[in-house]
Amino acid sequence: AQSVAQPEDQVNVAEGNPLTVKCTYSVSGNPYLFWYVQYPNRGLQFLLKYITGDNLVKGSYGFEAEFNKSQTSFHLKKPSALVSDSALYFCAVSQGGTASKLTFGTGTRLQVTL
Amino acid sequence: ETGVTQTPRHLVMGMTNKKSLKCEQHLGHNAMYWYKQSAKKPLELMFVYSLEERVENNSVPSRFSPECPNSSHLFLHLHTLQPEDSALYLCASSPGQGTSDTQYFGPGTRLTVL
Repeated sequence: AQSVAQPEDQVNVAEGNPLTVKCTYSVSGNPYLFWYVQYPNRGLQFLLKYITGDNLVKGSYGFEAEFNKSQTSFHLKKPSALVSDSALYFCAVSQGGTASKLTFGTGTRLQVTL
Repeated sequence: ETGVTQTPRHLVMGMTNKKSLKCEQHLGHNAMYWYKQSAKKPLELMFVYSLEERVENNSVPSRFSPECPNSSHLFLHLHTLQPEDSALYLCASSPGQGTSDTQYFGPGTRLTVL
């Protein structure tokens, strides 16, 4: 069975500082990994995904994620945080079949302050 | 968020009521999904439809009954729900090409069961 762990319930960072939101995964075979963001009273918005190739994946709104196979991690990063980045972030892994079936982590709340 | 729409956005129902949630996708996708999002818990995949055929049913109680009349529409019929069924119900769609598909989410229906 596949699983995703987000070890931090909340991450606090000052605006302008770099941010990291952590994610580790467990899956048999090659992982397909995703990051989504959820703003209050909204659905999930896709940020980026790793399928294969470069370990550094670039996504929307200046976010990027680094895939590390040896550490089974897929941490989300941004060089300079904005107050508007404050939201709930979810890491997910996909398993096989004709349709993707995402297993999500519990989410990490990012709070960016002035 | 106009790619995937959900109605209603909010629903309050008694335990003996029957109601339906509606999801529509305007992305030309072939797969659709229902998720349940409860506080402090990971998103739970409930149902997956690929080309209007149900391909996943994650041990969901029979008081939840999905219907996918065509690739653009997905319904979740609700009857005799319990208070613990109160949650945000999210619909998603994806191209239906396989494991690495990106899922696109609607804004959700906030359900309260009294």
